[in-house]
Amino acid sequence: QVQLKQSGPGLVKASQTLSLTCVISGDSVSRNSATWDWIRQSPSRGLEWLGRTYYRSKWYNDYALSVESRITINPDTSKNQFSLQLTSVIPEDTAIYYCARFFRNFVDYWGQGTLVTVSS
Amino acid sequence: DIQMTQSPSSLSASVGDIVTITCRASQSIANYLNWYQQKPGKAPKLLIYAASNLQSGVPSRFSGSGSGTDFSLTISSLQPEDFATYFCQQSHSTPPTFGGGTKVEIK
Repeated sequence: QVQLKQSGPGLVKASQTLSLTCVISGDSVSRNSATWDWIRQSPSRGLEWLGRTYYRSKWYNDYALSVESRITINPDTSKNQFSLQLTSVIPEDTAIYYCARFFRNFVDYWGQGTLVTVSS
Repeated sequence: DIQMTQSPSSLSASVGDIVTITCRASQSIANYLNWYQQKPGKAPKLLIYAASNLQSGVPSRFSGSGSGTDFSLTISSLQPEDFATYFCQQSHSTPPTFGGGTKVEIK
């Protein structure tokens, strides 16, 4: 059974960096047939895909255009986890952030979610 | 980006009712359409993938249909545990995008 466990602060000051980690159990971040994604949810923006990291003989990343200049998603094979960094946050980045596994084009596993509030 | 439009945004129904939710894509996505259920305070849960395939463990009262741009999720006999919000999501193109959600409430 795959489990994704998120950690990170729930409060970030505006202009600072949001950092979250997702620890994977029951699977490998290096699995060749999955991608490891971050998705956020807010009342104003709904469910919004932010980006992904995945291994296909080498590591790749894809990012949403809306956050492309501010986002980094990194795998850590030694700890079997992946992380999200979002720089220069603004109050509109306030949301519930989820890590997720995309497998065969759908999300079959989600993290528990982290409410991140950006304070001005 | 492909826009996903769900309707209705909310509905009220009774236990035992048949409920149908629709999702329209801004361009053809073949059958790359998934449905999720979300309950308050929880992450979404996969119900249907590739438009019509029931995820393991999901009750058979849930079904999905459609292809191209128009899709639907049907609950054949609404149960108390089905009151939740439902989302569609396309995986035809990056970025994956979600519909705005349909909240199913108790009448």
